[in-house]
Amino acid sequence: ELKVEQNPLFLSMQEGKNYTIYCNYSTTSDRLYWYRQDPGKSLESLFVLLSNGAVKQEGRLMASLDTKARLSTLHITAAVHDLSATYFCAVSYDMRFGAGTRLTVKP
Amino acid sequence: DAGVIQSPRHEVTEMGQEVTLRCKPISGHDYLFWYRQTMMRGLELLIYFNNNVPIDDSGMPEDRFSAKMPNASFSTLKIQPSEPRDSAVYFCASSLDISGNTIYFGEGSWLTVV
Repeated sequence: ELKVEQNPLFLSMQEGKNYTIYCNYSTTSDRLYWYRQDPGKSLESLFVLLSNGAVKQEGRLMASLDTKARLSTLHITAAVHDLSATYFCAVSYDMRFGAGTRLTVKP
Repeated sequence: DAGVIQSPRHEVTEMGQEVTLRCKPISGHDYLFWYRQTMMRGLELLIYFNNNVPIDDSGMPEDRFSAKMPNASFSTLKIQPSEPRDSAVYFCASSLDISGNTIYFGEGSWLTVV
């Protein structure tokens, strides 16, 4: 059974700092998704990573995929308060989700 | 496009009652997914359809849950009888395919069973 593990589960950051969220998965997959969810809201797609070595960036967020290590990272650069949300990774065609990382960015 | 449309947005029902959640996927999308989100269990895939056919229902918790997709523009998730532990947010999502296109989520149906 495919298992998806995210860490950390909770992350409190100061504005302006950098940090990385990790997503490990247990079986081979050639696609990985990152989503953002604000409290009480739906899930918003951030990135779709489709191949080994794929890197995508949008604003202060950059995602990468290493299929050999079964690892994806979501890197946050110079965090701002608006990035506070829960971030999920999801793996494979049937979208098995990690537990989510609740990010809080403090001034 | 209006996106994935779910109804009702909120429902409060008594234990033992039947609950029907509805979903209209984005037009042209061949894949439809039903998820459940709770604090304890996170996001769980319940079932997904391809071209209206159920492909994987291994996430459906028990026989009280059933899902149908009678046509390309409509799906239902039914719980009968409902129990308090069914209280959750139920999301419907759709995608063109599963080879790498974005999967779009609806706003969710917030279910409370008392």
